[in-house]
Amino acid sequence: DIQMTQSPSSLSASVGDRVTITCRASQTISTYLNWYQQKPGKAPKLLISAASSLQSGVPSRFSGSGSGTDFTLTISSLQPEDFATYYCQQSYISPYTFGQGTKLEIE
Amino acid sequence: QVQLVQSGAEVKKPGASVKVSCKASGYTFTSYNMHWVRQAPGQGLEWMGIINPSGGSTTYAQKLQGRVTMTRDTSTSTVYMELSSLRSEDTAVFYCARYGSGKHLDYWGQGTLVTVSS
Repeated sequence: DIQMTQSPSSLSASVGDRVTITCRASQTISTYLNWYQQKPGKAPKLLISAASSLQSGVPSRFSGSGSGTDFTLTISSLQPEDFATYYCQQSYISPYTFGQGTKLEIE
Repeated sequence: QVQLVQSGAEVKKPGASVKVSCKASGYTFTSYNMHWVRQAPGQGLEWMGIINPSGGSTTYAQKLQGRVTMTRDTSTSTVYMELSSLRSEDTAVFYCARYGSGKHLDYWGQGTLVTVSS
């Protein structure tokens, strides 16, 4: 199975900060990497697919990059509604594993 | 608009089985695979498996092999996930999620809480 490792596991930041979350795959997955945002009590929401493709309706302050084994999710200027938990997931091969999540908290 | 509506919360005893439904609407049901993902309280997302609603073929996470069964009913555009031999560690919110054409989970159900307790 492909292991997905996110770092950091948690992150404290302030409104307006630029933050970067990293996701590393245990083997190459090309650009079959998706990012989801989850708020408490809600289902995950797709933010970015194929490593860098921003979903319709998602603010442009979110961006993704990477290929192979190393990927990043960047939020250019944090807004209050961005405080949530973020997950990466590989869709290269079954089982379609998730990272352990990164909880983004208000500093 | 695409909607995935799941069945309601369940409380089960250890050793029992649970069957969660996910009714799809707003798109051609047989054109998109459906995944199941679960989330234990305070924990991360765990991929459980995938079903092809067209032919009914399935792939399950190895950890759940032998205990999980995913089925579909094309007449009602509904997929089902049944988990048997429940134990306390199976307590979780279970989600169905549509597998979009770009190999991502683009629409999610609202989640179904399954509590396993004696």
